[in-house]
Amino acid sequence: GQQVMQIPQYQHVQEGEDFTTYCNSSTTLSNIQWYKQRPGGHPVFLIQLVKSGEVKKQKRLTFQFGEAKKNSSLHITATQTTDVGTYFCAATDSWGKLQFGAGTQVVVTP
Amino acid sequence: DAGVIQSPRHEVTEMGQEVTLRCKPISGHDYLFWYRQTMMRGLELLIYFNNNVPIDDSGMPEDRFSAKMPNASFSTLKIQPSEPRDSAVYFCASSLAGQATSPLHFGNGTRLTVT
Repeated sequence: GQQVMQIPQYQHVQEGEDFTTYCNSSTTLSNIQWYKQRPGGHPVFLIQLVKSGEVKKQKRLTFQFGEAKKNSSLHITATQTTDVGTYFCAATDSWGKLQFGAGTQVVVTP
Repeated sequence: DAGVIQSPRHEVTEMGQEVTLRCKPISGHDYLFWYRQTMMRGLELLIYFNNNVPIDDSGMPEDRFSAKMPNASFSTLKIQPSEPRDSAVYFCASSLAGQATSPLHFGNGTRLTVT
């Protein structure tokens, strides 16, 4: 099955700054999902992107699906301490199984 | 909606013992998934069910692992005998439709420690 690669693996952010995490695939994706897992918690679904070039916003979070549907990004503006956690992208492989990326662990410094 | 319910939250057992993890999916969800999460391997899909029928168990590590779903509201993941390398957080998740189109709703997980 395909793999989705997430970068960076770790992200240290000063409170109030912006940052972006990326999800890349060598193959075309049918769709992509993003999840957030707080420390000690469980993954929580954030959003699903389906269309080429699609952009969706959730308050300070902006999700984008690349034109070629091979990559996706999550941009967070004005980072807050509540943004701490690991952000996973997940994509369906050719067997219909959802494959999770390794995640980007975000640490916010007040 | 109570969400996906897993028990126990924590399990500490000795090598060689049998471990049974339990999951109650969200009512009305036709799909149930068992995932394992470790630092080294991340989130791995072990097995999933559709309408109580196992569809894909290719992620189950070896014969020591087995999963059942006797009805729409209950599933178990059993490890017998357990080994220290089985130590991980095991998540159960359910979804309304297939994972290709429908978001997964995860339970709080069971943290398993095998000594």
